[in-house]
Amino acid sequence: IAGITQAPTSQILAAGRRMTLRCTQDMRHNAMYWYRQDLGLGLRLIHYSNTAGTTGKGEVPDGYSVSRANTDDFPLTLASAVPSQTSVYFCASSEMMNTGELFFGEGSRLTVL
Amino acid sequence: SQQGEEDPQALSIQEGENATMNCSYKTSINNLQWYRQNSGRGLVHLILIRSNEREKHSGRLRVTLDTSKKSSSLLITASRAADTASYFCATTSGTYKYIFGTGTRLKVLA
Repeated sequence: IAGITQAPTSQILAAGRRMTLRCTQDMRHNAMYWYRQDLGLGLRLIHYSNTAGTTGKGEVPDGYSVSRANTDDFPLTLASAVPSQTSVYFCASSEMMNTGELFFGEGSRLTVL
Repeated sequence: SQQGEEDPQALSIQEGENATMNCSYKTSINNLQWYRQNSGRGLVHLILIRSNEREKHSGRLRVTLDTSKKSSSLLITASRAADTASYFCATTSGTYKYIFGTGTRLKVLA
């Protein structure tokens, strides 16, 4: 089934460790996004990418980095995890930036101790 | 924060009743979308309404948009237990990327 695949599904991580959340899409969408979802705060945009080779900062980018080496992959890296980064992370894509329907992955639940 | 807000935060109704959720936002928009999220799953797109539209229907869903009040409503008619989920509105504009509201948790009792 076409869509977005995220990995890992769930991870427990010690504070200070480096972690990369993977996201792959097979829809050839130009735009991709990373959101974090916290109870009572809804979804907040971390980083986005208009197209392969370009990235931009969202609402809450501090402590996170992304890369977009090709159309399909958009990994999110936490260089040195902190407990406040405990959250559920969703990767999403759309055909073009800021237009149309967003397609979401199933999420990665990250706990930083 | 540019986040929108849904109202109510939680809603519990009996199967067969209608469910209405409201969304308010802060900036001028290109379009507004509604998404559904089942517990522990990713969000799924339901319906999109453009800024020059006032009402849109899709199956049991009816969406209205009032740009003068910066608000939208989602009506689910003849609700079913399977409609139990969280519902989010999201807006797009030239400046801001998809901005999501805080969500309404709907519980439909069988």
